[in-house]
Amino acid sequence: KQEVTQIPAALSVPEGENLVLNCSFTDSAIYNLQWFRQDPGKGLTSLLLIQSSQREQTSGRLNASLDKSSGRSTLYIAASQPGDSATYLCAVGGNQFYFGTGTSLTVIP
Amino acid sequence: GAVVSQHPSRVICKSGTSVKIECRSLDFQATTMFWYRQFPKQSLMLMATSNEGSKATYEQGVEKDKFLINHASLTLSTLTVTSAHPEDSSFYICSAYIRRGGSTDTQYFGPGTRLTVL
Repeated sequence: KQEVTQIPAALSVPEGENLVLNCSFTDSAIYNLQWFRQDPGKGLTSLLLIQSSQREQTSGRLNASLDKSSGRSTLYIAASQPGDSATYLCAVGGNQFYFGTGTSLTVIP
Repeated sequence: GAVVSQHPSRVICKSGTSVKIECRSLDFQATTMFWYRQFPKQSLMLMATSNEGSKATYEQGVEKDKFLINHASLTLSTLTVTSAHPEDSSFYICSAYIRRGGSTDTQYFGPGTRLTVL
């Protein structure tokens, strides 16, 4: 069974810093990997979708990479802002979708 | 982008009652919808896979007689929590699955339903 791990579990940074969130998975036979944002008490907002044939995707200040062979993905957030504070989840898609445990990000003004 | 709605967004009920949660894909047809639950400070756990016109597939440990799923059309799936108890209090999220074939398959998530059982 696929296991998805996210490190760190929580992260606090001052505004303006660049940061990296990590996601690792045990089974490399995936169709895609998605990064989501979840605000407290809210649903999920899809940030980036990387197909298995791709190595990275970019959207604004966000860049996600995928290395299937090593079972890793990173989400890079440039010039962090207080509005980026949320929980970030990665999910790998194969026959099912498996979610990581999330990283709770706090950006301090 | 594809939009998925859930109704209600929040519900409070008494122990022993049943609660129905609707999940709709607003601008696309979804042959498959997923139901997840999320406990505080935990990640999403898949409860069941709902396929239009057939019985839902439940994950291990999920009681199918307690969590009734109906996927009667290509745009609507419902989750009914029967005889709800306080331990059923959770955040329930649905997603609609667009299958294009392999790596472009993706899910679109609803905003979630907060269930509180008193």
